[in-house]
Amino acid sequence: QQPVQSPQAVILREGEDAVINCSSSKALYSVHWYRQKHGEAPVFLMILLKGGEQKGHEKISASFNEKKQQSSLYLTASQLSYSGTYFCGTESGGSYIPTFGRGTSLIVHP
Amino acid sequence: KAGVTQTPRYLIKTRGQQVTLSCSPISGHRSVSWYQQTPGQGLQFLFEYFSETQRNKGNFPGRFSGRQFSNSRSEMNVSTLELGDSALYLCASSLEGRFEAFFGQGTRLTVV
Repeated sequence: QQPVQSPQAVILREGEDAVINCSSSKALYSVHWYRQKHGEAPVFLMILLKGGEQKGHEKISASFNEKKQQSSLYLTASQLSYSGTYFCGTESGGSYIPTFGRGTSLIVHP
Repeated sequence: KAGVTQTPRYLIKTRGQQVTLSCSPISGHRSVSWYQQTPGQGLQFLFEYFSETQRNKGNFPGRFSGRQFSNSRSEMNVSTLELGDSALYLCASSLEGRFEAFFGQGTRLTVV
C-alpha cells in the first residue's frame, strides 16, 4: 500500500514554515524524500533509516518515527525555489522495493 | 559530472507494439532503477538492476522487462503496449541502490 501524505497541498508566503507528513500502515525500514518541479525529474532530498534519526539539507530537515511508522519533512523559512511536489518513498523489509506517496504540492508566493 | 541520460525523451507508439527505453547512469553508479509515473497512480517502482542483475522487482506484469549491460547502461522494454502504459518513465542511478538516487529527465511514452 502507498504511504499517505498530508496535506495534499500547501500554499505559503516566502519565509513561512511548512511540515509535510508521510504515514505508512507497514513497519518501515527507510523513508526517502524527493522534490519534483513541474516538467522536471524528481530530486533526491534525503533518506532516513530506521532508528528515529533526523537529517537536514540546508533549511529542509526530516524526522523518522519508526514506532509510529511515519516521517515528517520540515521546510523552514521557505524560499520561492522550494515550490514543487514533495514525495515520500518508503521501504519495508530488507529489499529495496520503494512505495511512494501521492505527493504534496507546495507553492511558495513572494 | 554528467547526469543520468534517458533516451528518447518522447515517444508515441500504437497499441500492441513494443518499445525499448534507454538509460545511461552517472559514471561509476552500478544501480539503475526504473519507475512509472502517471497522474492516476503516481510514482511506481518497476525494477532495479545492480551489476547486470535484476535485484528487485515491483508489481508490474511480465510485459515490462529490463536489462543492464556491463557498462551499467540499462534498457527497459514494454511489449504488447496498452493504452494504460502511457506514462512518464523515469530511471534513477545510485552507487549502491539504497542511498542518494539521481533521476533522469524521463521518457514520455504515449500509446495511441
